Amino acid sequence: NAGVTQTPKFQVLKTGQSMTLQCAQDMNHNSMYWYRQDPGMGLRLIYYSASEGTTDKGEVPNGYNVSRLNKREFSLRLESAAPSQTSVYFCASSTLAGDTGELFFGEGSRLTVL
Amino acid sequence: GENVEQHPSTLSVQEGDSAVIKCTYSDSASNYFPWYKQELGKRPQLIIDIRSNVGEKKDQRIAVTLNKTAKHFSLHITETQPEDSAVYFCAASRGTGGFKTIFGAGTRLFVKA
Repeated sequence: NAGVTQTPKFQVLKTGQSMTLQCAQDMNHNSMYWYRQDPGMGLRLIYYSASEGTTDKGEVPNGYNVSRLNKREFSLRLESAAPSQTSVYFCASSTLAGDTGELFFGEGSRLTVL
Repeated sequence: GENVEQHPSTLSVQEGDSAVIKCTYSDSASNYFPWYKQELGKRPQLIIDIRSNVGEKKDQRIAVTLNKTAKHFSLHITETQPEDSAVYFCAASRGTGGFKTIFGAGTRLFVKA
């Protein structure tokens, strides 16, 4: 099992360029999440998808769009990148069933916007 | 909106001492409180969690306590070791599946040998 896989791991963009971060999980989880991590600010939720077919805004959704392509995949799109979006992005997934609410994170994608 | 505050932002202890990290949350509907550890350059990983119907939970050298009335919860690490050095995040959620999880800003723990 690969767990949660994110691509790309590193990306440099110029202001105004667009890009999509891809995320896939092979754990048959229902829920998927996108977080950004900035120094001193912890992990901030951008968007999440409780189950296939649904998406909801998190704490910092402005400037981002998401697509829950199927149960396995959840992508994050930056339509017009800004320097303020320079960050490390983490995708995560969790199961709906059972007692645990554990989030399983990908390795992260480091994005730099110049 | 929901908010989780975490203190201190940095904590330095001597090997063998205890470390305590405290969090408060604003959403009274929160009922699931996980703690994650993130080593340098790695992804966050769950180390322990607690639900609102439980006041305390222990797993070897780590324990969590919850005061739902005061909306406080804490992480206690006893007999700290150098490998405990990492960033620790508290979080709060309204449930264990399909709910958004809001994180605190993190505590960087240094354990000096």
